[in-house]
Order: sequence, then structure tokens, then C-alpha cells
Amino acid sequence: DTGVSQDPRHKITKRGQNVTFRCDPISEHNRLYWYRQTLGQGPEFLTYFQNEAQLEKSRLLSDRFSAERPKGSFSTLEIQRTEQGDSAMYLCASSLEGDTNNEQFFGPGTRLTVL
Amino acid sequence: ELKVEQNPLFLSMQEGKNYTIYCNYSTTSDRLYWYRQDPGKSLESLFVLLSNGAVKQEGRLMASLDTKARLSTLHITAAVHDLSATYFCAGEFQFYFGTGTSLTVIP
Repeated sequence: DTGVSQDPRHKITKRGQNVTFRCDPISEHNRLYWYRQTLGQGPEFLTYFQNEAQLEKSRLLSDRFSAERPKGSFSTLEIQRTEQGDSAMYLCASSLEGDTNNEQFFGPGTRLTVL
Repeated sequence: ELKVEQNPLFLSMQEGKNYTIYCNYSTTSDRLYWYRQDPGKSLESLFVLLSNGAVKQEGRLMASLDTKARLSTLHITAAVHDLSATYFCAGEFQFYFGTGTSLTVIP
């Protein structure tokens, strides 16, 4: 059973550069979530997909952030013109619609450092 | 928007002792989730509480939910060092996480 995978695991970039992260959910899961976590804080919800439809977006998701899930499988999160405040762990999770528990399974995360 | 507050934020306890972590949330949420996170790692699901009065136990951890009081508790029995981690509760389809409780169990 393959869990949620994320790539890359670490990314160091200079301020102003664009970065893109990828998330591959558990294969039968049709829901996919992105969160951001900074040191000492709980995960903050960014956005949520059901299949290819983006159903929820947090106010935290500024216009520099965009997420896609074009075929309802993997997802990408792009940050344009990165700022130092974007440095965080970006977590992806997936779940299965119809699962009574609606339990989310998290990937290992991508740690972003903006210099 | 659901607000989730945990206390304490930091907990240092001796091995063998018992303690309870509290999770309060601001609006109605029929479900409550508990996660564990080890330093530098991702989140591991511990418990899913689906209704008022739900109680789940796994090893030395027991979680309960009181939806009327908007309160969930995570009780630790006879703590051991392996339980050292940060514990998060989350509500409303897991979009809203608490601030976390950093637990350190001292030998």
C-alpha cells in the first residue's frame, strides 16, 4: 500500500523565484488537501480538491499561490514570487469520499526555505 | 470559522504519571480528530471521534468527545518516553487544527 508522497522533500530558493511542489495521494482517494505548517504551529488549511474540482480555498491562499489537480490524481502547488514568509512545511493529505471517518492521511511534507 | 484551542501548549511529565490534554473548539463540530507529530515528521492519525460521548483507546492514550461542551480530551496513562511528541486536535472535516501540545516525557 503506497501512502501519500510529496516531491521534493526539501526546497531552498531565493526570494522572488517561483517554486512548484507535487503531491501524489493514495491511489483510490479522490479528496486531496494542502496545508502549510510553520514552526511551533498547527497545520493551516490552504485548499481542498474533490477529484479535479477545487472546492475550498483559504484566505491564506494569496494570488501568488495556485493549486491544480488536472486529472483528479496528483496535485501541484505553485508559489510565485516567493517571499521569506513563505518558508514553511507544505503538507499534502488525501482522503476517500464516502469514508465515514473522513480520515485524512498525510504525506511527509515539503520543507521550503526562502533565502 | 472554527477555532480550536489546546491546553497546555507544553507539557513535561515524568514517566509513569497520568495527564490530560484538552481541546476546546468554538462552533459546532460533530467530529474531532487527534494526530501525533514527531519532530521533523508528518502527522499520524491517532483517533477519529464521530459523535457525542465517543471514547477511543489505543495503548496508553484515550480520547473522548463532548460535543455539547465543545470539548475533547486526550488522556495519557502511565506515560512512557515513546509518547514524547506534539499532539494536535482538529475539527470540522479537519480543516482547522489546534495549536498543538508539545509533550515531553522525562525518565
